[in-house]
Amino acid sequence: DIQLTQSPSFLSASVGDRVTITCRASQGISSYLAWYQQKPGKAPKLLIYGASTLQDGVPSRFSGSGSGTEFTLTISSLQPEDFATYHCQQLNSYPFTFGGGTKVDIK
Amino acid sequence: QVQLQESGPGLVKPSETLSLTCTVSGDSISGYYWSWIRQPPGKGLEWIGYIYYTGSTNFNPSLKSRVTMSVDTSKNQFSLRLSSVTAADTAVYYCAREEGGATYWGQGTLVAVSS
Repeated sequence: DIQLTQSPSFLSASVGDRVTITCRASQGISSYLAWYQQKPGKAPKLLIYGASTLQDGVPSRFSGSGSGTEFTLTISSLQPEDFATYHCQQLNSYPFTFGGGTKVDIK
Repeated sequence: QVQLQESGPGLVKPSETLSLTCTVSGDSISGYYWSWIRQPPGKGLEWIGYIYYTGSTNFNPSLKSRVTMSVDTSKNQFSLRLSSVTAADTAVYYCAREEGGATYWGQGTLVAVSS
């Protein structure tokens, strides 16, 4: 199975901050990576697919980059509604796997 | 607007079979891949597998021996069965539509395994 390692596991940030989350794959996955946002008690929401394509309706302050084994999710200016847990998922090979998650909390 | 809704028992006894159904509204089930994903309390997400509307499937090897999925296009539903459950199978179970990422999700249903 392809392992995905997210870092950091937890980060504390303020409204307006630029936030970057990293997802590293144990082997190359081309651009078959998705990012999700999950709020407590809710289902995850797809933010980005294909490593860098913004899902319809997702604010442009979210962006994704990378290919191969290293990927990043960037929030250019953190908003109050962005405090949540973020997950990456690889869809390059079965079984599809998720990273351990990054919780973004209010500083 | 595509909506998914999981249904099934919230409590299953150890060694028994967990059965969940996902009802899709707002679009046809045909033409898409449909996944089951679970999340143990306080933990990360685990992909269980998917079923194509034609009935072809792909399962996580860690669960493959215990998982069955089926689809009923006439009812716009697909289902999950997980046999021989243990406490480790306690989780929120989500159904989702796959399109290069899970685009639409159900709200999730908590299934507890306990006697």
